[in-house]
Amino acid sequence: DAKTTQPPSMDCAEGRAANLPCNHSTISGNEYVYWYRQIHSQGPQYIIHGLKNNETNEMASLIITEDRKSSTLILPHATLRDTAVYYCIVRVPAYSGAGSYQLTFGKGTKLSVIP
Amino acid sequence: NAGVTQTPKFQVLKTGQSMTLQCAQDMNHEYMSWYRQDPGMGLRLIHYSVGAGITDQGEVPNGYNVSRSTTEDFPLRLLSAAPSQTSVYFCASENRAGGYTFGSGTRLTVV
Repeated sequence: DAKTTQPPSMDCAEGRAANLPCNHSTISGNEYVYWYRQIHSQGPQYIIHGLKNNETNEMASLIITEDRKSSTLILPHATLRDTAVYYCIVRVPAYSGAGSYQLTFGKGTKLSVIP
Repeated sequence: NAGVTQTPKFQVLKTGQSMTLQCAQDMNHEYMSWYRQDPGMGLRLIHYSVGAGITDQGEVPNGYNVSRSTTEDFPLRLLSAAPSQTSVYFCASENRAGGYTFGSGTRLTVV
């Protein structure tokens, strides 16, 4: 399984861009990169995902390097409500391989947005 | 649109008791899964289902059973609760675009 490496914690000033890095050097060509976040002990919340092109939605931008070995999640204007644990995940085929996939969560990056 | 609903939100069990954690989704998603999260850790996959009548094991399946008789429901059964099963349990379903929707969790304590 493609594994990811993230820094355990980061700080970001409120209103500034938060750039969260992720290494996934063993990713395969057809594996997607997903980002989720978890606020306190709530259920994880989907943020964004991508394969090889950069992606943007209303929450964030995802920049994937050309070799796909790393990616960066960008929160353009961080607010206090963005304080959470952010998980970078490579989606891999489920054990049964029946066209389904599963997410394997690491420990993520704890982002603290500072007033 | 309720999304993914988990019940109960909190539960205390005695060692050896059995119980069922309920999970229901109203989004007509085929893929559903159960995770557990221990303190300071990421989520670990227990069981998953790719559709009604089809289930399979994840990373940590021992001590748990699942069934999927309908698309909407995916209950997780603890056969004989042990203190090691004290955890927060999350149910999730996947939409066709590949995004997961998680429930709000069930906090289980086994004493």
